[in-house]
Amino acid sequence: SYVLTQPPSVSVAPGQTARITCGGNNIGSKSVYWYQQKPGQAPVVVIYYDSDRPSGIPERFSGSNSGNTATLIISRVEAGDEADYYCQVWDSSNDHVVFGGGTKLTV
Amino acid sequence: EVQLVESGGGLVQPGGSLRLSCEASRFTFSSYWMSWVRQAPGKGLEWVANIKQDGSERHYVDSVRGRFTISRDNAKNSLYLQMNSLRVEDTAVYYCARRGLRGSGWYFDLWGRGTLVSVSS
Repeated sequence: SYVLTQPPSVSVAPGQTARITCGGNNIGSKSVYWYQQKPGQAPVVVIYYDSDRPSGIPERFSGSNSGNTATLIISRVEAGDEADYYCQVWDSSNDHVVFGGGTKLTV
Repeated sequence: EVQLVESGGGLVQPGGSLRLSCEASRFTFSSYWMSWVRQAPGKGLEWVANIKQDGSERHYVDSVRGRFTISRDNAKNSLYLQMNSLRVEDTAVYYCARRGLRGSGWYFDLWGRGTLVSVSS
């Protein structure tokens, strides 16, 4: 089964840029989705199809995907961005949804 | 308001059964693939099961296949998860989630608030 690997935690100062990685075998050939989850809340998609933003998501959120690594980039980080972030792909070999283990962003 | 509302969680003993429900509001439920996703306390997200719009196709994560059954009733705008032979490791918040329609990819654009299932003796 397909495995996605994320760092458990990332720490960044306010106003700086946070980069959260998601590793997977040839992940660049898949579409990657990113979710933000704040304590006690359901996840919210912040990036889909590698780099597209749903309506309502600030332009500070962007994404990239190439080779074996996808990256969520949060520019000009704010205190309100502190949350858990999960990457997700569709494994077409077995019709399964796969999530990464999650990364806790500390601001 | 477009929303998903889960119910049916609770405390159950190992080996027991539970049926979760998810009621959809303010969107055409029958047009969407639906899923259950769970999150154990302090842990990450884990996809559990999917069901196609008409119920003709279902998929499960290996750890629940044969024990859990996903189903839907489009006339009632409802999604279900029948959970049998429950194990301690099934303890989690269970979310109902809607697959997004943009493009052909698989992502979740709407989530419920979740219902807690606790399996303990």
